[in-house]
Amino acid sequence: KNEVEQSPQNLTAQEGEFITINCSYSVGISALHWLQQHPGGGIVSLFMLSSGKKKHGRLIATINIQEKHSSLHITASHPRDSAVYICAAYSGGGADGLTFGKGTHLIIQP
Amino acid sequence: KAGVTQTPRYLIKTRGQQVTLSCSPISGHRSVSWYQQTPGQGLQFLFEYFSETQRNKGNFPGRFSGRQFSNSRSEMNVSTLELGDSALYLCASNFGTSGNEQFFGPGTRLTVL
Repeated sequence: KNEVEQSPQNLTAQEGEFITINCSYSVGISALHWLQQHPGGGIVSLFMLSSGKKKHGRLIATINIQEKHSSLHITASHPRDSAVYICAAYSGGGADGLTFGKGTHLIIQP
Repeated sequence: KAGVTQTPRYLIKTRGQQVTLSCSPISGHRSVSWYQQTPGQGLQFLFEYFSETQRNKGNFPGRFSGRQFSNSRSEMNVSTLELGDSALYLCASNFGTSGNEQFFGPGTRLTVL
C-alpha cells in the first residue's frame, strides 16, 4: 500500500514569496496529482505528472521518480493562492485508486 | 461543457438510517470515482466505476456500496449510518483511469446525528 506524506502541514507566507510544498510516496507510481481545495470543499486538479516538470502560469510541479518525490512551487504568491494543496498518488495496474496526502494548508498574507 | 454535479449538496440523517448520493459525470467521461473526506482521515478512496463495472474498491466496510448506470451516472449508498460517516463525499470523473486528470464535483456534505 502506498504511503503519501506531505510537508509542511501548514504554511503562512507574505504576498510575493516563493512557495514550495513537498510530497513523497513509498511505492512506485504511474501518476501523481496535485489538487487545490478552497474553503467550502471544491477541489480543482492543478497537475497530473508522470515524469519531469509542468508549468501553468505561476504554478510549477516537478517529480523525481527515482527519489519518489514531487514538489509544487508557487512563484509570486498572492492571497488568492490561499487554499489547501493536496498531492495524490496513483499506482496504476488495478491498484486502489488514488492515495492522498493529508494536505498543506497555505495562507498568503497581503 | 457542464461540470460534475452531485446531489444533494447537504444531507442530515440519523444513526441507523441509510442514504443514497448521486453523481453525474462530465459528458463523455466513463469513469467515476468516489471519495470520503473527514478532518481526521483526510481524503480516502471509496470506489471506482468504469462502464457500469466496479473496477477498484477502497478499504471501507460493506455498508458502503455503489453502482454506475449505462449513462455513466453513479450512485453511492451507505446503509446503517454511524456517526463516523459524517463527511464530505466527493465524486470525480475522468476519461479512463485515476491516472488521468480528475474532475471533481462540489461534494455532498453528510451529517449523521
